[in-house]
Amino acid sequence: AQKVTQAQTEISVVEKEDVTLDCVYETRDTTYYLFWYKQPPSGELVFLIRRNSFDEQNEISGRYSWNFQKSTSSFNFTITASQVVDSAVYFCALDGATNKLIFGTGTLLAVQP
Amino acid sequence: AAGVIQSPRHLIKEKRETATLKCYPIPRHDTVYWYQQGPGQDPQFLISFYEKMQSDKGSIPDRFSAQQFSDYHSELNMSSLELGDSALYFCASSLGLQEGNIQYFGAGTRLSVL
Repeated sequence: AQKVTQAQTEISVVEKEDVTLDCVYETRDTTYYLFWYKQPPSGELVFLIRRNSFDEQNEISGRYSWNFQKSTSSFNFTITASQVVDSAVYFCALDGATNKLIFGTGTLLAVQP
Repeated sequence: AAGVIQSPRHLIKEKRETATLKCYPIPRHDTVYWYQQGPGQDPQFLISFYEKMQSDKGSIPDRFSAQQFSDYHSELNMSSLELGDSALYFCASSLGLQEGNIQYFGAGTRLSVL
C-alpha cells in the first residue's frame, strides 16, 4: 500500500524565519516520484518541486530546498526566510506504479508579519 | 504559458440534479486526471485518461462518469447529486514520463449541493 504522512497539521512562524515541512512516505514500488504542492487560500494547487526515487541529491531553488532520504523514507521541504505570501496548505504527494497522486493530509503554514 | 482550464469555477446545484464539469488540459499533454477535495481534506483521485482512453479509476461513485474527447478536453458528469458531493474538483494534466510525471492542476471547480 502507498501512504503519505504529514505529521505537522499546522505550523506558525514569524516572517523571515526558516520553516521545514516534514513528509514520510510508504511504498513498495522501486520507482516512484515525490512532489510538494502548495494550496493558497484561493484554492488552486500549485506544483513546487519533484524528486524521483533514483535521485537523492538535495537541491536548493531560490528560497526552497528539499531533503530526500530513502533510508528514512522522508522528503522534507524547507522554506528559507519565509514571507507572508508563503501562507498556505502544503501537500506532499507520492506517485508510484499506479501513476496517480497519493496526497498527505497537508500542513497549514501561517506566516505572521 | 498555458495552464489547465476548468469550467465553471463555481457551481451550485440542488440534490438529485446533474452537473457537468469541463477540463481543458495543457496543449500536448496526453494524460488527464480528476481529483475530488472535500472540505479540510486532501485531494482524492477519481479517474484518469491517457490518449482518450480511461487508464485508471479510483474511488469514483457509480453516479459519476467521465470521458476524454478527440480534442483532449475532458468532462466529469455527476448525476443524482448528494450533499456529500459538495467539494472542490480538480483536473490535472501531464506529459507523463516525458516530464517526470508532473501533474499540473487547474484552478478547480467548487461544487455546492444544496
